[in-house]
Amino acid sequence: QSALTQPASVSGSPGQSTTISCTGSANDIGYYNYVSWYQQHPGKAPKLLIYDVNYRPSGVSNRFSGSKSGNTASLTISGLQAEDEADYYCSSYTSSSTLLFGGGTKLTVL
Amino acid sequence: QVQLRESGPGLVKPSETLSLTCTVSGGSTSSGSYFWAWIRQPPGKGLEFIGSFCYSGSPYYNPSLRSRVTISLDTSKNQFSLKLSSVTATDTAVYYCARQQRAVAGSGNWFDPWGPGILVTVSS
Repeated sequence: QSALTQPASVSGSPGQSTTISCTGSANDIGYYNYVSWYQQHPGKAPKLLIYDVNYRPSGVSNRFSGSKSGNTASLTISGLQAEDEADYYCSSYTSSSTLLFGGGTKLTVL
Repeated sequence: QVQLRESGPGLVKPSETLSLTCTVSGGSTSSGSYFWAWIRQPPGKGLEFIGSFCYSGSPYYNPSLRSRVTISLDTSKNQFSLKLSSVTATDTAVYYCARQQRAVAGSGNWFDPWGPGILVTVSS
């Protein structure tokens, strides 16, 4: 199975908003609301940001939000801060009873 | 809070079996609400789901690795393990263990928390 498709990189200035897309198929993102997003700083383990498309775990800033339309999920980060510079990964459950990750997106805060 | 930590050899020879253990603290691997998962990340690359296992269910394995992977639980030690056979250099990666929320009533299948990860290099 191929990974979900994410842009390799995105960038934004402090205070701005940016959106990272994650495109799958009718067998994963398009069918299930089991989409999650993770933030990974260099040398660290991934951290859960969003689950079930648009729910934030306790302790995650409300500057992070998720959505889904058709086969594409999106992560929006508002009020960009320097600490948001990291890699971001999406994940979805699939009809093959497995989980797929996206290829990852590097966010640069200019 | 629940914490996980991976342990095992950092170097494995080609064609041998990679064996890792994840020790869970602050939670129980016998909980039916969670799967216990392994995920890997080759150097400089993205994440790949390897598989997961639940105390009261069947294991999930990534189809591309299914023939080489075994995940098992040892609830008496609150640990779960990964065995990956016939390894090659392409199996070199940081291996993470994580707790996977079991899907219930339309909610689930996310990974939280994660262990810090362990780098396993396949080389002779």
